[in-house]
Amino acid sequence: AQKVTQAQTEISVVEKEDVTLDCVYETRDTTYYLFWYKQPPSGELVFLIRRNSFDEQNEISGRYSWNFQKSTSSFNFTITASQVVDSAVYFCALTGAAGNKLTFGGGTRVLVKP
Amino acid sequence: EPEVTQTPSHQVTQMGQEVILRCVPISNHLYFYWYRQILGQKVEFLVSFYNNEISEKSEIFDDQFSVERPDGSNFTLKIRSTKLEDSAMYFCASSSGVGGKLFFGSGTQLSVL
Repeated sequence: AQKVTQAQTEISVVEKEDVTLDCVYETRDTTYYLFWYKQPPSGELVFLIRRNSFDEQNEISGRYSWNFQKSTSSFNFTITASQVVDSAVYFCALTGAAGNKLTFGGGTRVLVKP
Repeated sequence: EPEVTQTPSHQVTQMGQEVILRCVPISNHLYFYWYRQILGQKVEFLVSFYNNEISEKSEIFDDQFSVERPDGSNFTLKIRSTKLEDSAMYFCASSSGVGGKLFFGSGTQLSVL
């Protein structure tokens, strides 16, 4: 069975601070895919990143960066210089190679105060 | 960017009534899904659909639920006899391949009274 754990339920920061969201996953698959989605107050799920299990390179996209550590089964997400518009719930998710069933973590609510 | 479209955005129904939630996946995608999110909770997988049949379903997806792709564009989720606990946001999603990016619709908020 697959499992995704986001231990932080809520993080509150002041604008321009960096914030790191933790994600730890469990899977028996050797090939799998990890995702991060953003859910703003309007409710939609916005895709942020997809990473396969064979690509351990860290990735940066603007103010967003991701740190994939296969040895610790973690896929952490950092927002640098946070902005009020970053306020949302962020979900980490996992799927195996056999199918596309996404297993989501419980989400981390990020509140960025001006 | 192409979009997954869901209608209606909000649906209010009485307990015991049937509801049909509609989705138009991205046109060249082959894999279709329904997920749900009870208020304040995580997103849960309901069912995946490929090649005109269910490929996987969760324990939530019991006999009260069914999915259909009645034509080349629509993908529907039917709940035969709604219960109070079916109140949730229902998301449709599609992807082009296994392990690929899932594109989610904006959701249908279902309220069962």
